[in-house]
Amino acid sequence: GENVEQHPSTLSVQEGDSAVIKCTYSDSASNYFPWYKQELGKRPQLIIDIRSNVGEKKDQRIAVTLNKTAKHFSLHITETQPEDSAVYFCAASRNKLSFGAGTTVTVRA
Amino acid sequence: NAGVTQTPKFRILKIGQSMTLQCTQDMNHNYMYWYRQDPGMGLKLIYYSVGAGITDKGEVPNGYNVSRSTTEDFPLRLELAAPSQTSVYFCASSKTGVGYTFGSGTRLTVV
Repeated sequence: GENVEQHPSTLSVQEGDSAVIKCTYSDSASNYFPWYKQELGKRPQLIIDIRSNVGEKKDQRIAVTLNKTAKHFSLHITETQPEDSAVYFCAASRNKLSFGAGTTVTVRA
Repeated sequence: NAGVTQTPKFRILKIGQSMTLQCTQDMNHNYMYWYRQDPGMGLKLIYYSVGAGITDKGEVPNGYNVSRSTTEDFPLRLELAAPSQTSVYFCASSKTGVGYTFGSGTRLTVV
């Protein structure tokens, strides 16, 4: 089955700085790569996703890049704000999502 | 649209008891999933279904059973509850296998 590894497990950034989270996947047939944000005690919420036929996608302060050859993808958050503090999960899917272990992001005011 | 509705929100079970976690969606989604999330961890797939009458195992199916008699409902059954099944359970659905919508979760404690 698919194996998704995510790094780092924790990330602390100063407000206004950028945050980068990296994930690798094992199944070359995976073709869908979403990112979820989960606040404490809440359900995961989709923040951005990318398909395997696209190399990069941007939505305001959030961007995702995908390198199919290397089987890795990354989440970039620019101009971080305190409300960006949460746990972020990457996932990869051919027909069902496999999740990374999560990154706890803390934005220091 | 209510989206994905899970009940109950919280439950405490004694070891050896059984229960059914309910999940229903009103978006006419074909795909439905059950995940569990242990503290500080990612989500692990228990079972999934690509349509009514079809179910398949995920990464961690042992100790659970599911059924999918209708498009809307995908209940998860725990038989002989064990402390290792203490977790938060999330149900999710999607139209085509992408863009999952998650329910609000069921927090289960087995004592």
